[in-house]
Amino acid sequence: GQNIDQPTEMTATEGAIVQINCTYQTSGFNGLFWYQQHAGEAPTFLSYNVLDGLEEKGRFSSFLSRSKGYSYLLLKELQMKDSASYLCAVRGRGFQKLVFGTGTRLLVSP
Amino acid sequence: GAVVSQHPSRVICKSGTSVKIECRSLDFQATTMFWYRQFPKKSLMLMATSNEGSKATYEQGVEKDKFLINHASLTLSTLTVTSAHPEDSSFYICSARGPGEQPQHFGDGTRLSIL
Repeated sequence: GQNIDQPTEMTATEGAIVQINCTYQTSGFNGLFWYQQHAGEAPTFLSYNVLDGLEEKGRFSSFLSRSKGYSYLLLKELQMKDSASYLCAVRGRGFQKLVFGTGTRLLVSP
Repeated sequence: GAVVSQHPSRVICKSGTSVKIECRSLDFQATTMFWYRQFPKKSLMLMATSNEGSKATYEQGVEKDKFLINHASLTLSTLTVTSAHPEDSSFYICSARGPGEQPQHFGDGTRLSIL
């Protein structure tokens, strides 16, 4: 079976750092993706990890440990516009579909 | 790069109407396209995967005769919701991916409201 877990909601303060965790159990692994989705809009691609380690992209970083079935998305210097849902998704065998987690709603307050 | 255009962005129509939604990759060749459905505050539910020139692969529980998918070219896929009913009201989102390990890129979504 396939299972992806992430916290439902998180809150943080503007300027702070927040880490959103994702654990997964899937049949086969060909990459883990993080997407940002603002309410009423489609998801936008943030990051992609296929090898263990940290990928940094400006204020956002994503980490992967394949042996632990674990990833996190790190957001630094939080801004109000970062309030959104963050979706963790895993691509399994065959490079076809992504399996999405239920998403983590992040609320950034002043 | 990697722009996906989805049209229309919003549809309001009467029960029994069929609705067609288009998904286009504007600056890359989409070998695979995906159609999702999303209910408020819920995650994306994959409906079907389509490869250019092939029949779509539907997820369990998705009626292929109800949700017709066509992927006739490397830049265009369409989803037709046939004889739509109020329970079909939802946010439908397409995504497209090029060959190999590339990520999926999403269209802006279509909010479908059936009265």
